[in-house]
Amino acid sequence: KQEVTQIPAALSVPEGENLVLNCSFTDSAIYNLQWFRQDPGKGLTSLLLIQSSQREQTSGRLNASLDKSSGRSTLYIAASQPGDSATYLCAVNTDKLIFGTGTRLQVFP
Amino acid sequence: KAGVTQTPRYLIKTRGQQVTLSCSPISGHRSVSWYQQTPGQGLQFLFEYFSETQRNKGNFPGRFSGRQFSNSRSEMNVSTLELGDSALYLCASSQGVLTYNEQFFGPGTRLTVL
Repeated sequence: KQEVTQIPAALSVPEGENLVLNCSFTDSAIYNLQWFRQDPGKGLTSLLLIQSSQREQTSGRLNASLDKSSGRSTLYIAASQPGDSATYLCAVNTDKLIFGTGTRLQVFP
Repeated sequence: KAGVTQTPRYLIKTRGQQVTLSCSPISGHRSVSWYQQTPGQGLQFLFEYFSETQRNKGNFPGRFSGRQFSNSRSEMNVSTLELGDSALYLCASSQGVLTYNEQFFGPGTRLTVL
């Protein structure tokens, strides 16, 4: 059974720091992996999708890497801003999305 | 292009009642998936519809059902509501030809069962 874990569960950092959020999964048989952002009480915003054949994907200040063989993905956020404060979720796609429990990020001025 | 829309945004029901939630996918998207989000269980997959047919199903009781119309809009129904059904219900749409296309989520329907 596929299980997805995210570490840390919560993170509080000052503005300007570079951050790494971690996601691990137990079964490497995935099609792709998506990173999402969720603001309190809101839906999910797709940040990056990385295909199983890819190693890395970038969008602006965000960079996601994928190591399928070791069951790991990282989301790198450069030069964090208070507007980045949200919960970040990773999900592996095995013909349905299986989500991790999320990392709650707070960036303070 | 408009995003995924869900109605209603908020619902309050009592135990034993039934409820219907609606989801309109992004124009051109043919797949709609439903997810339940609770503080205890996180985000869990309910089911997926593609071209009016249920293509995939999660591990939820039969009280949870859905359907998809010819215009790709989808509804999910929960019968005989229980307190534990209180949750944020999210739908996601994708182009859908492949089961693993990128998914785009709506704002959710917050269901409270009293």
